Amino acid sequence: EPEVTQTPSHQVTQMGQEVILRCVPISNHLYFYWYRQILGQKVEFLVSFYNNEISEKSEIFDDQFSVERPDGSNFTLKIRSTKLEDSAMYFCASSTTSFGGELFFGEGSRLTVL
Amino acid sequence: DQQVKQNSPSLSVQEGRISILNCDYTNSMFDYFLWYKKYPAEGPTFLISISSIKDKNEDGRFTVFLNKSAKHLSLHIVPSQPGDSAVYFCAAQGRGFKTIFGAGTRLFVKA
Repeated sequence: EPEVTQTPSHQVTQMGQEVILRCVPISNHLYFYWYRQILGQKVEFLVSFYNNEISEKSEIFDDQFSVERPDGSNFTLKIRSTKLEDSAMYFCASSTTSFGGELFFGEGSRLTVL
Repeated sequence: DQQVKQNSPSLSVQEGRISILNCDYTNSMFDYFLWYKKYPAEGPTFLISISSIKDKNEDGRFTVFLNKSAKHLSLHIVPSQPGDSAVYFCAAQGRGFKTIFGAGTRLFVKA
């Protein structure tokens, strides 16, 4: 069964460092998303991406964040200068539709900022 | 942003009994609702969904009920099994809106 894969599974970084989280969405999906979950809290929307551009982003997704689909298969989330409060589980998801369908999630990348 | 609320952080149920997980929403523009299940160290996995034109959708042991006038939905699991122990997230979609998740309810099913 096709699945969303994410790497790395866990990354530890120093505050101020750049981090890139990678995702390979399901191949025939058109919509891509990043969500995050701070420990014990709800799953929060960060950004959605369609047709090679951001379709929506949350207030969390500030100038420190960027997304890219560099080669037609990978979908990356970059955090330019990490802060302590960026420590969270980051989930990539993909879907065939923007409405009325499920999102398929990867297993997540745990980011720990020291 | 509290558009989707799951007011019970946890629920404990005996194996074989019914589990009822509740969810309230505030945005009347939502018209598609989903339940996801999440085990530790895994991503959320889709469980069941319902469109706002329906009031009930059933899939095996899982049934979702929607009360649009009350802006309330619930997930019923019957009979509950120990393997159902997980965090359950309610989520809502509207046309042109991102999928928004609730805070989750941790279900414990005791053997």
